Amino acid sequence: GQNIDQPTEMTATEGAIVQINCTYQTSGFNGLFWYQQHAGEAPTFLSYNVLDGLEEKGRFSSFLSRSKGYSYLLLKELQMKDSASYLCAVIVITTSGTYKYIFGTGTRLKVLA
Amino acid sequence: AAGVIQSPRHLIKEKRETATLKCYPIPRHDTVYWYQQGPGQDPQFLISFYEKMQSDKGSIPDRFSAQQFSDYHSELNMSSLELGDSALYFCASGGDTDTQYFGPGTRLTVL
Repeated sequence: GQNIDQPTEMTATEGAIVQINCTYQTSGFNGLFWYQQHAGEAPTFLSYNVLDGLEEKGRFSSFLSRSKGYSYLLLKELQMKDSASYLCAVIVITTSGTYKYIFGTGTRLKVLA
Repeated sequence: AAGVIQSPRHLIKEKRETATLKCYPIPRHDTVYWYQQGPGQDPQFLISFYEKMQSDKGSIPDRFSAQQFSDYHSELNMSSLELGDSALYFCASGGDTDTQYFGPGTRLTVL
């Protein structure tokens, strides 16, 4: 089956660095996305990894290891507004040749002053 | 830049009623995805369309149906509503890349 695991909750202090891990067991892997979602709002795109390695975008970086089925999202210089859920999503190619997104349960990050 | 538009933003219905949610993708995007997200849960994929044809089907109940029209907007029709259908319904659109861009969502409350 297809499975994605993330920690349920994390807490960090303003100005600190936090790493949110995501492990996945999927077939037909074709890339991994990170989304940020504030309560009651739509998920917003943060990053996309399809090759192994680190992708950096401002305060946010995302890492992928396909052989280990592992990714992490690194948030630096945390701000209060970073308090949100962070969703790891894997895109897979189905047996019928279509693409499907599979979302993890999300990690609720609380940033404390 | 234009984003995904969903209407209505809020909807209140009684049990056993029907509801229609609309999604207008980003211009020139040809793919639409529908998700249901209950409180504290991750988005659950319902159904997707590519070039007006159904491309994939997830955990969409038989009471729900959807289609994509010639102008690429999509509608999710929900009948015989149940209390458990109360959720946020997101539409996402996609174009040449695999990235999905989410609309603001429709909050459906079934009383």
